[in-house]
Order: sequence, then structure tokens, then C-alpha cells
Amino acid sequence: GEDVEQSLFLSVREGDSSVINCTYTDSSSTYLYWYKQEPGAGLQLLTYIFSNMDMKQDQRLTVLLNKKDKHLSLRIADTQTGDSAIYFCAEGNDYKLSFGAGTTVTVRA
Amino acid sequence: SAVISQKPSRDICQRGTSLTIQCQVDSQVTMMFWYRQQPGQSLTLIATANQGSEATYESGFVIDKFPISRPNLTFSTLTVSNMSPEDSSIYLCSVVATNEKLFFGSGTQLSVL
Repeated sequence: GEDVEQSLFLSVREGDSSVINCTYTDSSSTYLYWYKQEPGAGLQLLTYIFSNMDMKQDQRLTVLLNKKDKHLSLRIADTQTGDSAIYFCAEGNDYKLSFGAGTTVTVRA
Repeated sequence: SAVISQKPSRDICQRGTSLTIQCQVDSQVTMMFWYRQQPGQSLTLIATANQGSEATYESGFVIDKFPISRPNLTFSTLTVSNMSPEDSSIYLCSVVATNEKLFFGSGTQLSVL
């Protein structure tokens, strides 16, 4: 599969913004995704962006896509304790996704 | 979105035995997949479960080790055969929903002793 890379850990104070970064190598992906995995649970689709878009906003979530640099980011505004989880970046075609290793976000009071 | 139920949610098995994991979806879906998440790692696609025909396996996965059934558009099973401790992972069923996005079940956490 294609390579998808993420930083492994992020610690953020409650109320601050979190920014999770991801780089990928497959420039042919139609969609890029962010999934959230809480402890002991499966993956929850958080948001996605079509490859011809630069930005997508959905309530507290903002996705930025830089196709030239193959860089994807997820910004969570006003981070809450319930946002503590592992966040996976994923890309691919035909629904066969390649996932990053996941970024563990810890929200501290 | 689709509601996906996986059973069992977790199991502890002995080396050499087999475990069958079930995935039930609340609506008919065209595409179903099985993923594996090894401890501390990301997800790897095992295979595409094809309705009425043999599953399509990704590189490194074979039918003898991971037989898959898909008798209809709402149900699939994955069997982990002749298990060893290296098979300890979370196994996840995923489906393409009507909005054409990929959704995941809650997973089956398997520990092999």
C-alpha cells in the first residue's frame, strides 16, 4: 500500500486548538479521511475531504489539504476531554484505504 | 451511515484453535471488507468479502488462514484459523454506506495464548 505518515502523539490543553498532521504519497486518491478511535472501540469516520478541495469545515473540525505537498491536517477547535482518542489519517481509491499509524491525542485539564 | 454489529467483541483463544467473527449490517451494502489492527499499529486490509463468490485477498493474506464467507448483502464472517500469538489483533469489519463512505464496526479484540 501507499505510505501515510503521522506524528504519534499530541498533548493539548482543554479549550485550546489541536492540529494533527499527515503526509501521504498516493496523489491519485479521490478522498482523504480522518477517523477517530476511542479506547476499546472501532473506528468512527470523523470527516473527509475530496481531493479537489483545499479546505472543509464541519463544526469544530477543519480539514486542510495541500495537494502539492501531499499534506493533510485536522484542526479541532476548543478541544474537549472527549476528544482524547487516536486519530487516523487515511487515503485510497476504490474504498481500499491506507492508514497512518495514528496520532494519540491527550487532552489535559 | 450504516450500523455494523460485530460478534464477539473480544475473545481469548488457545494456540491452534480457530475463531469465527461475525459482521452484521442493518442494511444491504455492496462492499464489505475485513481489516486487521495489530497492537499499537495501524489498520491493514485483509480482504474484500464478495457476495456469492470467493473473497479477494490482499498481499500477505491467504484463504486457508483467513477464510471469509459472505452469503448475502448484510452479513459476513471471517475465520482466523490455526491461531498463534502473532494473530492477536483487533479485527474490524467495514462497509461502504449509501453515502459511499467507509464505516467500521466496533471490532473484535482477539488474544491468542
